Amino acid sequence: NAGVTQTPKFQVLKTGQSMTLQCAQDMNHEYMSWYRQDPGMGLRLIHYSVGAGITDQGEVPNGYNVSRSTTEDFPLRLLSAAPSQTSVYFCASSYRRLAGGRDEQFFGPGTRLTVL
Amino acid sequence: DAKTTQPNSMESNEEEPVHLPCNHSTISGTDYIHWYRQLPSQGPEYVIHGLTSNVNNRMASLAIAEDRKSSTLILHRATLRDAAVYYCILRVTGGGNKLTFGTGTQLKVEL
Repeated sequence: NAGVTQTPKFQVLKTGQSMTLQCAQDMNHEYMSWYRQDPGMGLRLIHYSVGAGITDQGEVPNGYNVSRSTTEDFPLRLLSAAPSQTSVYFCASSYRRLAGGRDEQFFGPGTRLTVL
Repeated sequence: DAKTTQPNSMESNEEEPVHLPCNHSTISGTDYIHWYRQLPSQGPEYVIHGLTSNVNNRMASLAIAEDRKSSTLILHRATLRDAAVYYCILRVTGGGNKLTFGTGTQLKVEL
């Protein structure tokens, strides 16, 4: 299994540009989520999905859009990039029901985004 | 939301045990205690979790106080590869799979 993969690893944008951060998992996990991590901070939840076709907002959703058309993929779209969105973005996945030994969330390696 | 409090940083020598404390005085009866760690330039990885009883796995042990207001992550023999930020997280009932990360404890391991 490749686990959770994210592309690209690094990205530099200009203010106002849009882009999509890709996230894919091959573990058949129902639950997927996006976090951002600013320097010296913990991770903050942006959006999450409990299954294909179902998404919901997390703690810091403004400026981001998500969709979930397949179980495997959960892309994150920046609609109009701003310097405040400079951060490291992590995607995570897990089984929807965290019990019976299936309690672990798996994180991708991250995308480092700089907005100038 | 239930909150956790951890020391900002701790130091250990290699091959020695490390006890990482976490206070969660507002925990409710059905909240699970999860620990994740984040190695430099990597995404977080799961370490261990528990509800009431102490737990052991290949990576660590989790000791939970009887009143559940605190817990301790125990690394039995620290190695240089254990240098990371360790996050103590409460997975709250009704919160689904959401994890609320604090700033964690930066563990430094020295030779």
